Amino acid sequence: AQKVTQAQTEISVVEKEDVTLDCVYETRDTTYYLFWYKQPPSGELVFLIRRNSFDEQNEISGRYSWNFQKSTSSFNFTITASQVVDSAVYFCALNAGGTSYGKLTFGQGTILTVHP
Amino acid sequence: DTGVSQDPRHKITKRGQNVTFRCDPISEHNRLYWYRQTLGQGPEFLTYFQNEAQLEKSRLLSDRFSAERPKGSFSTLEIQRTEQGDSAMYLCASSPEEGLHTDTQYFGPGTRLTVL
Repeated sequence: AQKVTQAQTEISVVEKEDVTLDCVYETRDTTYYLFWYKQPPSGELVFLIRRNSFDEQNEISGRYSWNFQKSTSSFNFTITASQVVDSAVYFCALNAGGTSYGKLTFGQGTILTVHP
Repeated sequence: DTGVSQDPRHKITKRGQNVTFRCDPISEHNRLYWYRQTLGQGPEFLTYFQNEAQLEKSRLLSDRFSAERPKGSFSTLEIQRTEQGDSAMYLCASSPEEGLHTDTQYFGPGTRLTVL
């Protein structure tokens, strides 16, 4: 069975602070895919990044960066110099089972509020 | 590209009524997924299609739920004899069968169902 845990239910920061959202996953599969999605108040899930289990290279995209560590089964997401527009619910998700498609297992989400 | 669209965006119904939702995936995306999201939770997988074939169904999909994708394009999700516990956001996603992003699911805006 697959499981994703986002231990931080809510995080509140002031604009320009850096913030890290934690994600820990469980799977017995050796091939799997990890994702982060953003859900703003409008409700639509917006894809941010994907990582497969064979690619442990960290990635940076503008103010966003992701740290994938297989040894600790973690896929953490950092926003540098946060902005009010970053306020949203962020979900980590796992697709396991050996194929590149199929169901996603989501964590419970982290509500990020960035205050001006 | 036009994104995933869902109709209606909101539905209010009385307990015991039947409701049907529609999802139009991104054109040329062969795979289509349905999820359900209740307040404060991450989305939960319901079912997915590859073209017309329904390849996987969750145990969450009780006998009152049925999904179809008759021509391999749009999909419908029907809930019969709705119950108050069916109140949730119903999300649709699609992904391509070929190319760089076969593992990435792109979500629509969702249909919010309220059962009175």
